[in-house]
Amino acid sequence: AQKITQTQPGMFVQEKEAVTLDCTYDTSDPSYGLFWYKQPSSGEMIFLIYQGSYDQQNATEGRYSLNFQKARKSANLVISASQLGDSAMYFCAMREAQISSGSARQLTFGSGTQLTVLP
Amino acid sequence: NAGVTQTPKFRVLKTGQSMTLLCAQDMNHEYMYWYRQDPGMGLRLIHYSVGEGTTAKGEVPDGYNVSRLKKQNFLLGLESAAPSQTSVYFCASGGTGYGYTFGSGTRLTVV
Repeated sequence: AQKITQTQPGMFVQEKEAVTLDCTYDTSDPSYGLFWYKQPSSGEMIFLIYQGSYDQQNATEGRYSLNFQKARKSANLVISASQLGDSAMYFCAMREAQISSGSARQLTFGSGTQLTVLP
Repeated sequence: NAGVTQTPKFRVLKTGQSMTLLCAQDMNHEYMYWYRQDPGMGLRLIHYSVGEGTTAKGEVPDGYNVSRLKKQNFLLGLESAAPSQTSVYFCASGGTGYGYTFGSGTRLTVV
């Protein structure tokens, strides 16, 4: 089974509006972390936000917030007040702790969502 | 500037040729990773290392070899390139926290 699922290959949003990018995950590890990265057309991977599985509150970083619903295993990214510069590919990723098995702390990525912000 | 440096940035290979991609980090990170990115598939882990002298296979290791002789360097080798290895390759490093640093990527085309 896919560990990280992003069901929206492409999304459009009007400038200044909010947009939600979906991410669901699958793990049996009680300790894990969820990440969102932005990849603009220039290609670099830009870290946006992190949510730990034991964090009680949803993570926020400026215009980015992570809507963490643990029971539903979802970690949606919300971008408020979209800007033209937000047009990019967005990746959800997960790191499982697996402390007992000597985890290499690697990230597992979803397939990404291409967001286009319209003027 | 601290970070992860990948060389080269672009490369075109003929089928059957070999090459080595170099990843260098100056953050004293223990963990290093090689990913490949293909359209519609996100980033997939090729190989990783949890410390100097150690390497292990990831999700898609076939056709690749790696070495980590020095803590700061992680090399990815293609012994006999195939068109299926046309991709964008990313190196990343991580420490004990939740931060990861990615290189700027290597765009490889095998013809």
